[in-house]
Amino acid sequence: EIVLTQSPGTLSLSPGERATLSCRASQIISSSYLAWYQQKPGQAPRLLIFGASSRATGVPDTFSGSGSGTDFTLTISRLEPEDFAVYHCQYFGTTLWTFGQGTKVEIK
Amino acid sequence: EVQLLESGGGLVQPGGSLRLSCAASGFTFNNYALTWVRQAPGKGLEWVSSISASGGTTYYASSVKGRFTISRDNPKNTLYLQMNGLRAEDTAVYYCTRIHSNPSLPHFDYWGQGTLVPVSS
Repeated sequence: EIVLTQSPGTLSLSPGERATLSCRASQIISSSYLAWYQQKPGQAPRLLIFGASSRATGVPDTFSGSGSGTDFTLTISRLEPEDFAVYHCQYFGTTLWTFGQGTKVEIK
Repeated sequence: EVQLLESGGGLVQPGGSLRLSCAASGFTFNNYALTWVRQAPGKGLEWVSSISASGGTTYYASSVKGRFTISRDNPKNTLYLQMNGLRAEDTAVYYCTRIHSNPSLPHFDYWGQGTLVPVSS
């Protein structure tokens, strides 16, 4: 069973700064099966990135995904006030769907 | 516009049963596999169950297998989750999600707003 570990648990940054979020898999996984979601308080998650690096419709280009093998990264190049949220990575594999525990990006 | 609207949540006692519904609109319902995902208070996301577009194939997380049943009514554009033998650890917001149609790029492209299921005496 593949486990996804996200780090850090909480990232404290100021608007305008760059955010780098990590998602590490316990085994090598296909990048095609790695997605990222954003969740704001009291809201449902929203798809950001699929296939490790493809932005979903309507997602600003300040968001980018990268990585391969076991290490994947979500980068927010310049934080806007609305970007402060929890970010979840997800993998589809033999045990179906697995999520990381989430990274909270909070205002410093 | 794709919409997924869950209903049926509410307080239930341990050992009790509940059926969640998810009404879909804005897309050809019987072309898409669907999934239930839950989130316990203050916790991360947990996949619960998935069903194929036709309804002929179902999948369950080990934590709910044997207690929960996923089903769909394609003419009614509705997804269901029958939950039996509920436990305190099943307390969560339950989300209905659509699985993207390209099997080479699996992900959940749309989510409902969620319905809360507290399990408590």
